[in-house]
Amino acid sequence: AQSVTQPDIHITVSEGASLELRCNYSYGATPYLFWYVQSPGQGLQLLLKYFSGDTLVQGIKGFEAEFKRSQSSFNLRKPSVHWSDAAEYFCAVGAYGGSQGNLIFGKGTKLSVKP
Amino acid sequence: DAGVTQSPTHLIKTRGQQVTLRCSPKSGHDTVSWYQQALGQGPQFIFQYYEEEERQRGNFPDRFSGHQFPNYSSELNVNALLLGDSALYLCASSLGGGRETQYFGPGTRLLVL
Repeated sequence: AQSVTQPDIHITVSEGASLELRCNYSYGATPYLFWYVQSPGQGLQLLLKYFSGDTLVQGIKGFEAEFKRSQSSFNLRKPSVHWSDAAEYFCAVGAYGGSQGNLIFGKGTKLSVKP
Repeated sequence: DAGVTQSPTHLIKTRGQQVTLRCSPKSGHDTVSWYQQALGQGPQFIFQYYEEEERQRGNFPDRFSGHQFPNYSSELNVNALLLGDSALYLCASSLGGGRETQYFGPGTRLLVL
């Protein structure tokens, strides 16, 4: 069955420190992968996506993610975290069949930033 | 360029009632997907509408139904509300049936008492 696992429920980092959020997926075919961010009480904003090609993808707000097929992972990274990055982060895989598709999400990782 | 909009932003209902949530997709998008996000969980796919038809459905009971209008806007209806239906309901729009990137609205927070 298709699934997404985000092993870390809550992570706290100091402002200016580097960040890595983990995501593992289970999907039979070549996955389409996404990272979304959700601020409290808000909808989801797309940070970045991987469809094909270069396995290191750049997103908005200085985020990047690396697709590693051998590890079934798509970890999100940022070299220097800002206080405004505090939010919940969701990894998702696109479950596509033919022309149709929907997203399967992980349970999310809540990021707190210490001053 | 307006993004995805949803109404209302918040809603309080009692058990057994019915509710209708509304979504207007991003300009140029023709596909609308609905997700339910319970507290502390990731969003779960409810169903998707394309060309005014339900094209895919997640693991949700028939109490959840929807509609898509010719202008691509969509409604989500939930009948016989249960306490467990309390959640944030997210609408996402995309182009061409769902394979393209989905863009989310701010959601409707539903509380069932």
